[in-house]
Amino acid sequence: QQQVRQSPQSLTVWEGETAILNCSYENSAFDYFPWYQQFPGEGPALLIAIRSVSDKKEDGRFTIFFNKREKKLSLHITDSQPGDSATYFCAASGGTNTGKLTFGDGTVLTVKP
Amino acid sequence: GPKVLQIPSHQIIDMGQMVTLNCDPVSNHLYFYWYKQILGQQMEFLVNFYNGKVMEKSKLFKDQFSVERPDGSYFTLKIQPTALEDSAVYFCASSPDWGEYEQYFGPGTRLTVL
Repeated sequence: QQQVRQSPQSLTVWEGETAILNCSYENSAFDYFPWYQQFPGEGPALLIAIRSVSDKKEDGRFTIFFNKREKKLSLHITDSQPGDSATYFCAASGGTNTGKLTFGDGTVLTVKP
Repeated sequence: GPKVLQIPSHQIIDMGQMVTLNCDPVSNHLYFYWYKQILGQQMEFLVNFYNGKVMEKSKLFKDQFSVERPDGSYFTLKIQPTALEDSAVYFCASSPDWGEYEQYFGPGTRLTVL
């Protein structure tokens, strides 16, 4: 059973548009949700994160919207730039005292100039 | 920002051999992690390590796997013996604490078992 799901698998937007990446989860114990950005040949890098006590987290062009009741969250990237082209992973942790992250499959974002 | 280094970047070995993957975590971090990513699939947690001990491990962390960080040197993942299904990219991560503290990831070691 996959605990964290992401959609779409791939997404293409034009420069300047808003990209919306979706994530859902199964485990009610999850309470911390980081989004990681990964470029080819590199490890994932933390982009933005949200705790389950909040319903929105904003950092520049990146915003997370969180719906605890539906166990869903989304990452919005406004004014998308070609440099944003990467794979984005939704992850979750909670319920243990070890920081273990459970990752989704990732969304491959392509921003066309 | 802080960097996690992994050595080597690629490793090709024959099935049944032993392999050691090395990770140089961020210097003041206390928690260390290994994740496994098979091509085209999600990244999966293997194990985490704190104060010289395994804190939690997943079902992917088979008996053939072991981790250690002797005397503050590299944090290592050893697989002995290796199997074909161990072929994957292995990512090391470190964090100053558990929970909501950022885990910094290395660039990964691509392991190919022939």
